[in-house]
Amino acid sequence: TQLLEQSPQFLSIQEGENLTVYCNSSSVFSSLQWYRQEPGEGPVLLVTVVTGGEVKKLKRLTFQFGDARKDSSLHITAAQTGDTGLYLCAGPYNTDKLIFGTGTRLQVFP
Amino acid sequence: ETGVTQSPTHLIKTRGQQVTLRCSSQSGHNTVSWYQQALGQGPQFIFQYYREEENGRGNFPPRFSGLQFPNYSSELNVNALELDDSALYLCASRTDRGYGYTFGSGTRLTVV
Repeated sequence: TQLLEQSPQFLSIQEGENLTVYCNSSSVFSSLQWYRQEPGEGPVLLVTVVTGGEVKKLKRLTFQFGDARKDSSLHITAAQTGDTGLYLCAGPYNTDKLIFGTGTRLQVFP
Repeated sequence: ETGVTQSPTHLIKTRGQQVTLRCSSQSGHNTVSWYQQALGQGPQFIFQYYREEENGRGNFPPRFSGLQFPNYSSELNVNALELDDSALYLCASRTDRGYGYTFGSGTRLTVV
């Protein structure tokens, strides 16, 4: 059983389009993190959200933490080819054991 | 030294053999976690160490074991390798204050 489910699993879009990736759980998390992973590399932390309803922006990326702290979303505006990668949400479980979502593979074509 | 360094980067072993993967974390990163990642999937938590003591374990059998050393290095040992152990193994560490983990680039293990 996956505690953190991401959707969609795959996303293939053209440069300039907008997209949203979702991370959902039936459990409450004290915080959620988003990572991006490129082939042959480890995940790189993008952002941590800690307050229900919180919205954080990182250039063209907007992250939101649900009011009930059970879900989060990542919205990318005007996607670029450099945004291609595997996007992972993650949260602490059983105090601070970090568990990951199922992942969303994004491919942005020129 | 900055970042998290893992060695080796690639490894091929035979079923039934034993393997040791190594990780060198940044100074002050008292928490280190190890993950197994299958192709295209999210990393699966194996175990976590804090100041050389295991303080969390995922759903992996006892043949997966680890150690953390005072110099911020750690290792993952896998005994009696099985074909399904083929995966990318990631090491991640963090300080006592931060939320986010710094990951190494991983070791790609292939069991044949």
